[in-house]
Amino acid sequence: QKEVEQNSGPLSVPEGAIASLNCTYSDRVSQSFFWYRQYSGKSPELIMSIYSNGDKEDGRFTAQLNKASQYVSLLIRDSQPSDSATYLCAVGGMDSSYKLIFGSGTRLLVRP
Amino acid sequence: SAVISQKPSRDICQRGTSLTIQCQVDSQVTMMFWYRQQPGQSLTLIATANQGSEATYESGFVIDKFPISRPNLTFSTLTVSNMSPEDSSIYLCSVEKGTSGTYNEQFFGPGTRLTVL
Repeated sequence: QKEVEQNSGPLSVPEGAIASLNCTYSDRVSQSFFWYRQYSGKSPELIMSIYSNGDKEDGRFTAQLNKASQYVSLLIRDSQPSDSATYLCAVGGMDSSYKLIFGSGTRLLVRP
Repeated sequence: SAVISQKPSRDICQRGTSLTIQCQVDSQVTMMFWYRQQPGQSLTLIATANQGSEATYESGFVIDKFPISRPNLTFSTLTVSNMSPEDSSIYLCSVEKGTSGTYNEQFFGPGTRLTVL
């Protein structure tokens, strides 16, 4: 059973701080990793994709991947109240099925 | 990415009836997916909709309960049959739309909020 684990939170950080969201996965052959942001009542929005070990930066977001430890994280710098949402980690392979396994999500609350 | 629309956006249905949800994409895509998200829960994949072939269902989901059509590369429907209150959920379609250097990226439609009384 392939699993993706996230702390459900809520993770509460003050405005301007760095929010650190973590995710572990069980399938060692996973090759593709994603972070989605989901506002209450809305559908998930893809914000980061990462495929290789190391860091990938996009604006205030940095995704970090460590395949040896089966760990992927998302850092949000200069957190804003508008970042308050649930962040879903998703993990996929490179096979033809294209299936993604989603974690249960971490709720982030950025306090003004 | 892709622009994805779903109809209806929400519905309230009576037990024992069926509802068909439509998903339309603004460009041709090979892979379309149907998910269910129950309140406070994460996403559960129902099935993968393949153009020109039968949908592939995940464990716990069967074609009789969730028939899927995929008549072309921009459209799919999911029917929730013989509904019960346990089917109350948000139903989401997604598409795999990679760009150069990416794969497995999925983009979601706005969802259909279903309430079964």
